[in-house]
Amino acid sequence: SQQGEEDPQALSIQEGENATMNCSYKTSINNLQWYRQNSGRGLVHLILIRSNEREKHSGRLRVTLDTSKKSSSLLITASRAADTASYFCATGGAGNMLTFGGGTRLMVKP
Amino acid sequence: DGGITQSPKYLFRKEGQNVTLSCEQNLNHDAMYWYRQDPGQGLRLIYYSQIVNDFQKGDIAEGYSVSREKKESFPLTVTSAQKNPTAFYLCASSPPGTNEKLFFGSGTQLSVL
Repeated sequence: SQQGEEDPQALSIQEGENATMNCSYKTSINNLQWYRQNSGRGLVHLILIRSNEREKHSGRLRVTLDTSKKSSSLLITASRAADTASYFCATGGAGNMLTFGGGTRLMVKP
Repeated sequence: DGGITQSPKYLFRKEGQNVTLSCEQNLNHDAMYWYRQDPGQGLRLIYYSQIVNDFQKGDIAEGYSVSREKKESFPLTVTSAQKNPTAFYLCASSPPGTNEKLFFGSGTQLSVL
């Protein structure tokens, strides 16, 4: 079963706007990661946040983690058409396994 | 260039046939993984291997088999027992002792004729 669930399932915005995606999970985690997938391609790692961290930044990406609510959000600021992709959260717990959510499909219109 | 290579990009399977998907990496990673992705869905773990000559079942291993005879290679066989094999298959690897970043291949789309 999937650990994480992304919300919304699909998001359409204009270039220059911010995009926010949310991820909820069920069990305790060591870390939470976000990946990006362009259509028909493999996933690319974007950012990792550890369970003892609350916020992390990388370029135009900002990730937050609330372990009390078992949720995370990914914010992409000043979006570009090239940001159009599916975004997945993945939770890492005991052992080396990651569990992926169902993804958010982001479309950025030029 | 270091990375993970999956082949073929597209594969067609006839009824009752076994097919094998190739995954090769030159990142010197110990751990390798196979995921299945159905349209519009997330990834589900089929098999994983943390070291040569050892592998474990993931969440949906039935109808699949793997081998890990070399560190660089982790082929996946979709057997005739897998009744609904049409999906996008992704191979990944990670550095030793950590799941903090997975590196993915570009995938194989398997379809049934």
